[in-house]
Amino acid sequence: DARVTQTPRHKVTEMGQEVTMRCQPILGHNTVFWYRQTMMQGLELLAYFRNRAPLDDSGMPKDRFSAEMPDATLATLKIQPSEPRDSAVYFCASGPRTASYEQYFGPGTRLTVT
Amino acid sequence: AQTVTQSQPEMSVQEAETVTLSCTYDTSESDYYLFWYKQPPSRQMILVIRQEAYKQQNATENRFSVNFQKAAKSFSLKISDSQLGDAAMYFCAYSGNTPLVFGKGTRLSVIA
Repeated sequence: DARVTQTPRHKVTEMGQEVTMRCQPILGHNTVFWYRQTMMQGLELLAYFRNRAPLDDSGMPKDRFSAEMPDATLATLKIQPSEPRDSAVYFCASGPRTASYEQYFGPGTRLTVT
Repeated sequence: AQTVTQSQPEMSVQEAETVTLSCTYDTSESDYYLFWYKQPPSRQMILVIRQEAYKQQNATENRFSVNFQKAAKSFSLKISDSQLGDAAMYFCAYSGNTPLVFGKGTRLSVIA
């Protein structure tokens, strides 16, 4: 049963600290997406990759967020320095090589910045 | 820009009954896809059903079916024989030339 995995599942950190979230997409999927979910804003697309190349990261605060795909099996989302307003659930999703942007989501990382 | 609107923030249904969740979207694209995702309390986003805009036939997946009205830009989800496990947030999503655009969601409660 192929699925997207994310680590950590929960993270509590202090303001100013660096946070790194990791995602392993489904094997064979060539698109990877990062989302942030909050009660106020709902689901927001932060960035996405196709064949490991970043296609769009316009949803990310550039000064503190960065997203990378070091290889086809790992995507990372880093926040440095973290702020309380970054508290949210961060989802990674991957999709197959189709035209529909069909996506399968990981379980999410719940981030709390105090 | 494409937008997706779910006008029902909350709905409830009796167990074993049928419920329909509404979704409308705005686009100028002719070729696109529509999806319904379910998010139970576990937070996991689960793909429920997808519809290709070029197909006239409405998609079905077991107890889940859609009513796709392309001219009206409407894409509603019908859940038949509702079960307690159907209680969740349901998100409608659109995908055209850009990745998914999500609605704000509808919280569905199932009453035993």
